[in-house]
Amino acid sequence: QQPVQSPQAVILREGEDAVINCSSSKALYSVHWYRQKHGEAPVFLMILLKGGEQKGHDKISASFNEKKQQSSLYLTASQLSYSGTYFCGTEVNTGNQFYFGTGTSLTVIP
Amino acid sequence: NAGVTQTPKFQVLKTGQSMTLQCAQDMNHEYMSWYRQDPGMGLRLIHYSVGAGITDQGEVPNGYNVSRSTTEDFPLRLLSAAPSQTSVYFCASIQRLGGELFFGEGSRLTVL
Repeated sequence: QQPVQSPQAVILREGEDAVINCSSSKALYSVHWYRQKHGEAPVFLMILLKGGEQKGHDKISASFNEKKQQSSLYLTASQLSYSGTYFCGTEVNTGNQFYFGTGTSLTVIP
Repeated sequence: NAGVTQTPKFQVLKTGQSMTLQCAQDMNHEYMSWYRQDPGMGLRLIHYSVGAGITDQGEVPNGYNVSRSTTEDFPLRLLSAAPSQTSVYFCASIQRLGGELFFGEGSRLTVL
């Protein structure tokens, strides 16, 4: 049930771009993206509902390919504050079940 | 607004002891859930509830019990704690499918 995220870890220099992928074997109603800093709770970034939409949030955007049950998170011109672990969360169509991926550790260095 | 409140924030138990992690939300959310977070494993769903009186198992339910007598509260019970249950536990709630998931601050449990 747990979606698969890739890569597991990435290190960027400030200003560089990154893409984090999330895929599921189940038909999805929506995909959520969260960022978690060490010792804190996950913080909501955005939701994508089925329909293949793309959303943006400052320099962070995401897409959802409903046919492939895949989502990608795009971070452009990365800042130090982007460092943390990113999780995708998936809602399956068959019920109110919400599952998270294993996370992608993102480190932005000066 | 309080949002999702979890207690306690930290707890140390001995093997075999029992305890309850409390979770309360004041947003009138129907859906509530418990996750455990372990290094490299992400957040794994333990139990969830889609409304008062209704609960169901997630990915890793063994060793945990839940109940949902009111919309606001969703306690997680460990009947006989084991070292494998050492983890950080998060409670979360959501208004409806397609809405944002709200997290509590987490409870760090250590079982010796």
